[in-house]
Amino acid sequence: TQLLEQSPQFLSIQEGENLTVYCNSSSVFSSLQWYRQEPGEGPVLLVTVVTGGEVKKLKRLTFQFGDARKDSSLHITAAQPGDTGLYLCAGEGNNDMRFGAGTRLTVKP
Amino acid sequence: DVKVTQSSRYLVKRTGEKVFLECVQDMDHENMFWYRQDPGLGLRLIYFSYDVKMKEKGDIPEGYSVSREKKERFSLILESASTNQTSMYLCASSLPATRTQYFGPGTRLTVL
Repeated sequence: TQLLEQSPQFLSIQEGENLTVYCNSSSVFSSLQWYRQEPGEGPVLLVTVVTGGEVKKLKRLTFQFGDARKDSSLHITAAQPGDTGLYLCAGEGNNDMRFGAGTRLTVKP
Repeated sequence: DVKVTQSSRYLVKRTGEKVFLECVQDMDHENMFWYRQDPGLGLRLIYFSYDVKMKEKGDIPEGYSVSREKKERFSLILESASTNQTSMYLCASSLPATRTQYFGPGTRLTVL
């Protein structure tokens, strides 16, 4: 079983602050995805990272895949209230996807 | 845009009832999935299907069954609902050999 640990579990910050959330595992993944889930909705894919060391940017969001493809981070610059949600990472393993429990982010205006 | 719809957003059932959760996708995806989402546990895979009339057990299939009679529709069945099946149920679909799953809005099921 490939276990994905996300930290922190909860994060509450003020608008304009920067933050980083983490997704860690002892297993190697062939790819890793980040999803955002808003209240009352299903998760929506933000990004997929495939190569160890890969960095992808999506506006104010920066995603990094660890060199060993066991971990990933999501950095948000100048957070806005619209960034509020549950951020889930999902690792692609042996013909399956494993999801972490998520980081619940609240950005206060 | 891919659209995955689920029959109910909220559902309240009593212990022992048979419960049907329906999921429909409009993008001709071969793969469909049912997850349950519980606080602190993330998404756990119940069942998935790679084609019509095909089904595979996920990590937690006990107490559930599924039906896929048509490509666009994947049903989750709770044969005899129990209180520990109170949860958020998410359906997803994807194309074969792709990583991206498209999720429905979820059904929040409460079993009393």
